[in-house]
Amino acid sequence: AQSVTQPDIHITVSEGASLELRCNYSYGATPYLFWYVQSPGQGLQLLLKYFSGDTLVQGIKGFEAEFKRSQSSFNLRKPSVHWSDAAEYFCAVGAGYGNKLVFGAGTILRVKS
Amino acid sequence: KAGVTQTPRYLIKTRGQQVTLSCSPISGHRSVSWYQQTPGQGLQFLFEYFSETQRNKGNFPGRFSGRQFSNSRSEMNVSTLELGDSALYLCASSPEGTGRDEAFFGQGTRLTVV
Repeated sequence: AQSVTQPDIHITVSEGASLELRCNYSYGATPYLFWYVQSPGQGLQLLLKYFSGDTLVQGIKGFEAEFKRSQSSFNLRKPSVHWSDAAEYFCAVGAGYGNKLVFGAGTILRVKS
Repeated sequence: KAGVTQTPRYLIKTRGQQVTLSCSPISGHRSVSWYQQTPGQGLQFLFEYFSETQRNKGNFPGRFSGRQFSNSRSEMNVSTLELGDSALYLCASSPEGTGRDEAFFGQGTRLTVV
């Protein structure tokens, strides 16, 4: 069965510092991978996605992620964090037929000034 | 283009009652999925509907059901509510639900069972 692990429940970074959020997945075939962000009381917004091709994908708000098949990882990065990036971030894998997503537990990002 | 609309935004129900939540997808989207979000279990897939047919189902009891109408609007129903059903219920729509589509999420319905 498909699964996603986000090992960090909370991460705190200083504004302007770089960010890396970790994601490991388990899926038998070539995965469809996603990163979503959720602000308090809101739904989820897609940051970026990977289906195939270039393993470094660019997303919105200056985020990027790198797919590493050998490590079953899809880590999210941002070179310089802004206070408005404080939110919860979810990694997800498309679980086969249809549009079912399996989500990780999420990582709460805190940004300190 | 209007986003995914979920109504109501907030609900308070009593144990044993039933509840119906509504989701209007983005115009032209044919796939609607539902998720339950709780602090303990995180985001869990409930079911997906495509062209009025349930295409995928998560691991939830039969008290959770849904349907989709010909205009792609969807409803989910929870019968015999339990305290543990308190959660944020999120609806997501996508054009074809191929798995490669972006899923657009609504703001959710916050259900509190007392």
